[in-house]
Amino acid sequence: AQSVTQLDSQVPVFEEAPVELRCNYSSSVSVYLFWYVQYPNQGLQLLLKYLSGSTLVKGINGFEAEFNKSQTSFHLRKPSVHISDTAEYFCAVSDNSGNTPLVFGKGTRLSVIA
Amino acid sequence: SQTIHQWPATLVQPVGSPLSLECTVEGTSNPNLYWYRQAAGRGLQLLFYSVGIGQISSEVPQNLSASRPQDRQFILSSKKLLLSDSGFYLCAWSVGGPEKLFFGSGTQLSVL
Repeated sequence: AQSVTQLDSQVPVFEEAPVELRCNYSSSVSVYLFWYVQYPNQGLQLLLKYLSGSTLVKGINGFEAEFNKSQTSFHLRKPSVHISDTAEYFCAVSDNSGNTPLVFGKGTRLSVIA
Repeated sequence: SQTIHQWPATLVQPVGSPLSLECTVEGTSNPNLYWYRQAAGRGLQLLFYSVGIGQISSEVPQNLSASRPQDRQFILSSKKLLLSDSGFYLCAWSVGGPEKLFFGSGTQLSVL
């Protein structure tokens, strides 16, 4: 079975500053990795995903993440955040069979301060 | 295009009352369907998933149940709600694997 740990429950950051949201996973098999964003009172939207190939994945809204197999990490980064990036961010993992549901982390609340 | 409908958006129920949340998907066939619950400080917890009509897998033992009476309909139920059932319930669907997972807008359930 897979599991995900998001190390920070809340991350405050000033507008236009860089941000990194940390995610570590555990799995005995090869994995797919995802980052989702949830704006207040809404469902989740896919930001980016790693399935295979290049370990640096670019997503929507200027976000990117890097898959690091040796460190079992998939940290999310953005070089300059905006007020509109304030939201909850979820890291998720599944095995690469395509048959198992996603397992989500507990989420990181990103608060961008003007 | 595919869409997912989830209702109601908010629900306030007394302890011990029954529950029925409905989710339907349009524009696709034979989707995988999921119910997740989001509770404060606990992230997103998978409750049930279904790969076909009448096929339900339960991830967390509790007083909730799920049914899939039609290909694109997924229902979450309870006979008697507990205070601990409060939370934000999300329905989701995918086709061809979880890497294409789409979420509904959620139901905020408050059990009082």
